[in-house]
Amino acid sequence: DVKVTQSSRYLVKRTGEKVFLECVQDMDHENMFWYRQDPGLGLRLIYFSYDVKMKEKGDIPEGYSVSREKKERFSLILESASTNQTSMYLCAHRVGQGRTGELFFGEGSRLTVL
Amino acid sequence: AQSVTQLGSHVSVSEGALVLLRCNYSSSVPPYLFWYVQYPNQGLQLLLKYTSAATLVKGINGFEAEFKKSETSFHLTKPSAHMSDAAEYFCAVRVNSGGSNYKLTFGKGTLLTVNP
Repeated sequence: DVKVTQSSRYLVKRTGEKVFLECVQDMDHENMFWYRQDPGLGLRLIYFSYDVKMKEKGDIPEGYSVSREKKERFSLILESASTNQTSMYLCAHRVGQGRTGELFFGEGSRLTVL
Repeated sequence: AQSVTQLGSHVSVSEGALVLLRCNYSSSVPPYLFWYVQYPNQGLQLLLKYTSAATLVKGINGFEAEFKKSETSFHLTKPSAHMSDAAEYFCAVRVNSGGSNYKLTFGKGTLLTVNP
């Protein structure tokens, strides 16, 4: 079975803390993604990666960075958490062949910044 | 730029009634389109996808969607709603950014409520 594991389902952090959200996939896939989900806004792409050490900004990268040192692991980093980063964070990787492949999502990490 | 618009942030139906969730896309090239479902406190699960092979696409749980180029639509339907269909539904379009990028752009979601 395809699997995407997000390290924490629920986190509570304080303003200014550094936050790591980790995502691991077990299928040796190249393309991985971080989205954030907010009520009424749907999913918005933060960063994506198409290979080890390769990354590109999505639509809302400000305040975030990412790391991809190994193919199976894609980490989202909040250098200095702020209250407006309270959200649900979803990791995904692409499955299927060619341009028709879809994204497979993890269960999400709900972050609260106080 | 490619985008999708979901009409109606909240749809309420009775159990056994037709479900119709609307999605319109904007794309200058033939798009790849997807419908996802999200149950409470879970990630997104793929319902179905359009990849140009057939305009009527059947998915899981009895859902289907029809690609209509003339209307730039990809509406999701199910003939008879079940209580277990209550969830949030997202339409998405693949952004044709070339190379090895496979970004999806999502709509804002439609929350489906099923009344007994």
